Amino acid sequence: GQQVMQIPQYQHVQEGEDFTTYCNSSTTLSNIQWYKQRPGGHPVFLIQLVKSGEVKKQKRLTFQFGEAKKNSSLHITATQTTDVGTYFCARLGNDYKLSFGAGTTVTVRA
Amino acid sequence: SAVISQKPSRDICQRGTSLTIQCQVDSQVTMMFWYRQQPGQSLTLIATANQGSEATYESGFVIDKFPISRPNLTFSTLTVSNMSPEDSSIYLCSVVQTQLGARGEQFFGPGTRLTVL
Repeated sequence: GQQVMQIPQYQHVQEGEDFTTYCNSSTTLSNIQWYKQRPGGHPVFLIQLVKSGEVKKQKRLTFQFGEAKKNSSLHITATQTTDVGTYFCARLGNDYKLSFGAGTTVTVRA
Repeated sequence: SAVISQKPSRDICQRGTSLTIQCQVDSQVTMMFWYRQQPGQSLTLIATANQGSEATYESGFVIDKFPISRPNLTFSTLTVSNMSPEDSSIYLCSVVQTQLGARGEQFFGPGTRLTVL
């Protein structure tokens, strides 16, 4: 099936700094979802993007869907220790099946 | 939203044995899935648990190894059969609400952490 590639695999961030994680596909995506998994926890839904060029904000998190619907990004400003975890992008396919990217694991230096 | 519980939360098993994991949802849901998350890895879909019929397995997963039951719209079980150390993973069930107006998000259970010795 269609794969979504996610970079970087690891992101070490100084508290207060910004960072971005990227999700790319070789084919056009009908949608992209983002999940956050805290250490020892389970994935929790953050957002779904469906429109070309869509931008959605949740407090310090900004999600974008590319114009060609082949890439997406998650940008976090003023990183806090509560942002620690792994962020996954995922493609929602037929029959509601999710195909996850490899994830970006974020650690924060206080 | 949906609240999902899984039993057991973790287990340590001997190779060659089988473990059945239970997933209970607090509301009726049409779509229920089982995922595997190997240590330090992403999530991989094992199968779709279909109510009243055989589960639909993804490539690389077979019914003999991962039999699944779905007797009703709130409950499912996944059995990991004839276990080997390579089966050591977190197993998660998830549900998605498909009614009009639903956001399409999946809700995940807390997972079952399995270690096979």
